[in-house]
Amino acid sequence: KNEVEQSPQNLTAQEGEFITINCSYSVGISALHWLQQHPGGGIVSLFMLSSGKKKHGRLIATINIQEKHSSLHITASHPRDSAVYICAVNYGGSQGNLIFGKGTKLSVKP
Amino acid sequence: DTGVSQDPRHKITKRGQNVTFRCDPISEHNRLYWYRQTLGQGPEFLTYFQNEAQLEKSRLLSDRFSAERPKGSFSTLEIQRTEQGDSAMYLCASSSRDRKYYGYTFGSGTRLTVV
Repeated sequence: KNEVEQSPQNLTAQEGEFITINCSYSVGISALHWLQQHPGGGIVSLFMLSSGKKKHGRLIATINIQEKHSSLHITASHPRDSAVYICAVNYGGSQGNLIFGKGTKLSVKP
Repeated sequence: DTGVSQDPRHKITKRGQNVTFRCDPISEHNRLYWYRQTLGQGPEFLTYFQNEAQLEKSRLLSDRFSAERPKGSFSTLEIQRTEQGDSAMYLCASSSRDRKYYGYTFGSGTRLTVV
């Protein structure tokens, strides 16, 4: 069983739509990361969260520690947002490695 | 600084051959990580270094895999006697020890194909 679960696995949206991607994890964490991966492999770090909410441009990330759940929201989606969005966590006090979800493939149609 | 660099970008090798990949992290980052990603899956942790010390290794890292970071700067990942199951994207990332920010910067990866 994957310790980090994302939903949905695939998401298709029309340009301008509000998008939500969910991530749940099974044990206590020290930090949660949202990452963006474009075709060809490059991964970009979007957010690192340990509590509350962060916003950067049209992207918003929230985390609920008690419920072991995080969401990534994209407002006014655009075709250039099309990518795989990956949730990853650092468990406990370890900063040694990330445990990744399988990713959510987002396709935004014009 | 141009970020995390990985070389080569692509490698095709015959089964049984040895391959070596290189990762140059962001110079200020003292932590360096190797991950492996297969199609449709999220990356899986292989190993990580703090400076030159290899602090953690995944059970995924069989005896055929070895990683080094001899001077605490660049790192190499070697796979000996490659198998078809080794075909994957090998990703390197680095991070700072700064407690205010444990964000990761990833390289573009090395795609290995074993034929």
